[in-house]
Amino acid sequence: DAKTTQPPSMDCAEGRAANLPCNHSTISGNEYVYWYRQIHSQGPQYIIHGLKNNETNEMASLIITEDRKSSTLILPHATLRDTAVYYCIVRVTGSWGKLQFGAGTQVVVTP
Amino acid sequence: GAVVSQHPSWVICKSGTSVKIECRSLDFQATTMFWYRQFPKQSLMLMATSNEGSKATYEQGVEKDKFLINHASLTLSTLTVTSAHPEDSSFYICSARQGVGELFFGEGSRLTVL
Repeated sequence: DAKTTQPPSMDCAEGRAANLPCNHSTISGNEYVYWYRQIHSQGPQYIIHGLKNNETNEMASLIITEDRKSSTLILPHATLRDTAVYYCIVRVTGSWGKLQFGAGTQVVVTP
Repeated sequence: GAVVSQHPSWVICKSGTSVKIECRSLDFQATTMFWYRQFPKQSLMLMATSNEGSKATYEQGVEKDKFLINHASLTLSTLTVTSAHPEDSSFYICSARQGVGELFFGEGSRLTVL
C-alpha cells in the first residue's frame, strides 16, 4: 500500500469547516483513499473513501486531486465531538490487504 | 454500519496471568479479523490476521506463542495474552471484514498488567 503524509496536528474552531490534507504521491491506479478517525480510547471509525471522484456522505466530504497524489477531508461544520486523530490510508478496496496506520492528524476542535 | 464488539473493554491483571479478549461481529460473518495494538500516543500497530478455521498470520516481531489467536467461528475471534507482563499493557483493537467489504473496528480493550 502507498504511503501517506499528514500534518501531525491542526486546530479548528467549532462550527467552522475543517480541511485535513493528505499526500499520497505514490498511489497506484487501483488504490483507494480511505479516511478513518479515532476518538480517544475508542476504536477507529470509518469516515469515507474514494478512488478519483469527490465523495460526500453524512459525515464528511473527500476531495481528491486530478492526479490523485493528494486529497482533502472536509468536515463541513466541526463540533467538539470531532476532536480525534484522523488517519488517511490508501489501499486496494476489497483486497485482503491489511490496513497500515500512519501517525495521522490530531484535530482539536475548540469552542 | 456493521458492528464489531470487544469484551472486556478494560481489564487489570497480575503479572504472569493470561488474559483473553473477545472480538465479535454482531450482524455479519467475518472470515477475516485483524488484531491491533496501540501504545499511548502512538498509532495502531497490526499484530496479526485471524482467519476462520485456520492459523493466524502474525506480523514480524509479534510472538505467536505469547499472543494466541483463535478464530473458531465466523463471528468470534479471541486474543489471549499469555503470561502477561507490564510491558504488555496496551490498548488492543480488533477489526473485522464483512466479506470483501470494508473493515469495521471494535471499541478496543485496555489491558493493564500490574
